[in-house]
Amino acid sequence: DTGVSQNPRHKITKRGQNVTFRCDPISEHNRLYWYRQTLGQGPEFLTYFQNEAQLEKSRLLSDRFSAERPKGSFSTLEIQRTEQGDSAMYLCASSWGQGDEQFFGPGTRLTVL
Amino acid sequence: GQNIDQPTEMTATEGAIVQINCTYQTSGFNGLFWYQQHAGEAPTFLSYNVLDGLEEKGRFSSFLSRSKGYSYLLLKELQMKDSASYLCAVRPLYTGFQKLVFGTGTRLLVSP
Repeated sequence: DTGVSQNPRHKITKRGQNVTFRCDPISEHNRLYWYRQTLGQGPEFLTYFQNEAQLEKSRLLSDRFSAERPKGSFSTLEIQRTEQGDSAMYLCASSWGQGDEQFFGPGTRLTVL
Repeated sequence: GQNIDQPTEMTATEGAIVQINCTYQTSGFNGLFWYQQHAGEAPTFLSYNVLDGLEEKGRFSSFLSRSKGYSYLLLKELQMKDSASYLCAVRPLYTGFQKLVFGTGTRLLVSP
């Protein structure tokens, strides 16, 4: 197992475009999290899945954001009509139900021009 | 509400010991985590405290006092590779799940 992977690693887009990021968690981890991190700040929680169920969403997740985890394995995060304020590092993490440690992926750095 | 405070920056010398403090105010408490994050990389787990006291792991130790809402990360025998940001994160009890609330991080610079 090579850990949590995220694709793409970098994404540059124009304002108003839609973007989609993918996260592949560690195998058999049933909990998956999305965070957003801007320069000089700690990660901010966006949403959380247990298996395929999305159990919690932050108020940071506006209507333009949607996340899915259709088969309880990989997850996608889509941002519609991107804005310059969406520019950030989007981090995915996973954990096993009984474990406490969240393992983070390398992140997708989004730049909205 | 939730509030986590840690110093923005610290400097130390190679071979020395440094203590990074974290104070928190959260809606319930279900554990405190320390992560290390090198520039441009993902956070990596360092330590976890849920009960009061000191947890030691090699050159790294973490302390927790729940009554004071206080934790620190102690790094011994500093090495140049320890230059990174150190993130304090709390798991609030009210969520019932494992969401983490992070501080802004402490940027540590280790000099020769």
